[in-house]
Amino acid sequence: GNSVTQMEGPVTLSEEAFLTINCTYTATGYPSLFWYVQYPGEGLQLLLKATKADDKGSNKGFEATYRKETTSFHLEKGSVQVSDSAVYFCALTRGAAGNKLTFGGGTRVLVKP
Amino acid sequence: GAVVSQHPSWVICKSGTSVKIECRSLDFQATTMFWYRQFPKQSLMLMATSNEGSKATYEQGVEKDKFLINHASLTLSTLTVTSAHPEDSSFYICSAGQGRSYEQYFGPGTRLTVT
Repeated sequence: GNSVTQMEGPVTLSEEAFLTINCTYTATGYPSLFWYVQYPGEGLQLLLKATKADDKGSNKGFEATYRKETTSFHLEKGSVQVSDSAVYFCALTRGAAGNKLTFGGGTRVLVKP
Repeated sequence: GAVVSQHPSWVICKSGTSVKIECRSLDFQATTMFWYRQFPKQSLMLMATSNEGSKATYEQGVEKDKFLINHASLTLSTLTVTSAHPEDSSFYICSAGQGRSYEQYFGPGTRLTVT
């Protein structure tokens, strides 16, 4: 079956530091890949997505590239802010409407001023 | 666009009572809705998938008689936790899918505390 593995947190870093959160997946065929972010006390928000190999998703300074050869979708941001403190979830889905999302375990990121 | 709301945002109930949580798609028709449960500092666990007008499909290990899901219209799904117990305390999140799109739009979640 499908699965998503992401690095465990918490990840603590200083403002303006470089952030990488690793995510690898197992799936048959060509899944769509997502990063969701959950700010404290809030629901999940879609951060970015990629639907085919070599696609790069980007939003709010975050980027992730769909690497089929390494089955990875690592999230990166060059200069984090305190407001980026949140839990980040890597996820995948396959096929058409109604398919289930498979989530990774989530990575908590804490950015200190 | 693609806004999903949940009501209530938090609820406290006594053990043995039932609680209903509503999930609404505000500006689109949700052909499929999903219900998740999230424990503190953990990932989301899919409980069930519901299509408008059909019975929900529950994930393995989820008691369908305890967690009643109704998807009576294209903009509303409800989750009723029946005979709630303290171990049902959790953060319940719904999401909605639109048409043939693979994307899901998440509600803000409902925190349930059973005393």
